[in-house]
Amino acid sequence: EAGVAQSPRYKIIEKRQSVAFWCNPISGHATLYWYQQILGQGPKLLIQFQNNGVVDDSQLPKDRFSAERLKGVDSTLKIQPAKLEDSAVYLCASSLVPGDYEQYFGPGTRLTVT
Amino acid sequence: AQSVTQLDSQVPVFEEAPVELRCNYSSSVSVYLFWYVQYPNQGLQLLLKYLSGSTLVKGINGFEAEFNKSQTSFHLRKPSVHISDTAEYFCAVSKNTGFQKLVFGTGTRLLVSP
Repeated sequence: EAGVAQSPRYKIIEKRQSVAFWCNPISGHATLYWYQQILGQGPKLLIQFQNNGVVDDSQLPKDRFSAERLKGVDSTLKIQPAKLEDSAVYLCASSLVPGDYEQYFGPGTRLTVT
Repeated sequence: AQSVTQLDSQVPVFEEAPVELRCNYSSSVSVYLFWYVQYPNQGLQLLLKYLSGSTLVKGINGFEAEFNKSQTSFHLRKPSVHISDTAEYFCAVSKNTGFQKLVFGTGTRLLVSP
């Protein structure tokens, strides 16, 4: 079984530029999560999708971050414009159903904003 | 809201020695508890979880954890560690109703030396 795929693995941009991350969850997994992991901290949930609908985006900075999951499969997270404090690892995870208490994580995208 | 405290940012230990990684949580409602491991440049992997039943939970790679409701703790233990156990360990909590929303601690880096 293929795991959660993310691309790119690394990205360096200047502040005020835009960036997008892509995630392809495990086949058949209905629930998809995006987390932000700042160095020295635990992952923080940004947004949770159930199929192609948003379940929770309470911690997503909506003035600059956006995410979509068209057709309920893969997902894109965008930052526009980026700030220095957005430097972090962005993790995507998926689970089979909402009540499945095991989330499967991708390798993450390390973003550096200079 | 739920929160997690991992008191030790780093735990050095010699190979074949026992180890305990501490985790305390705070919540006004009943919770589920998890330990995840993150190897360098990889995503998080579930080690074990407590949902209900026996308070002693066994996970992968010889790890176990004990849920103590009165102490609001979920400490992770292994009787004999290997070099390959060197990684970052995250404790996480979610409420036990509704959509799962994991709240992570700041992590404990386990450093196993020969």
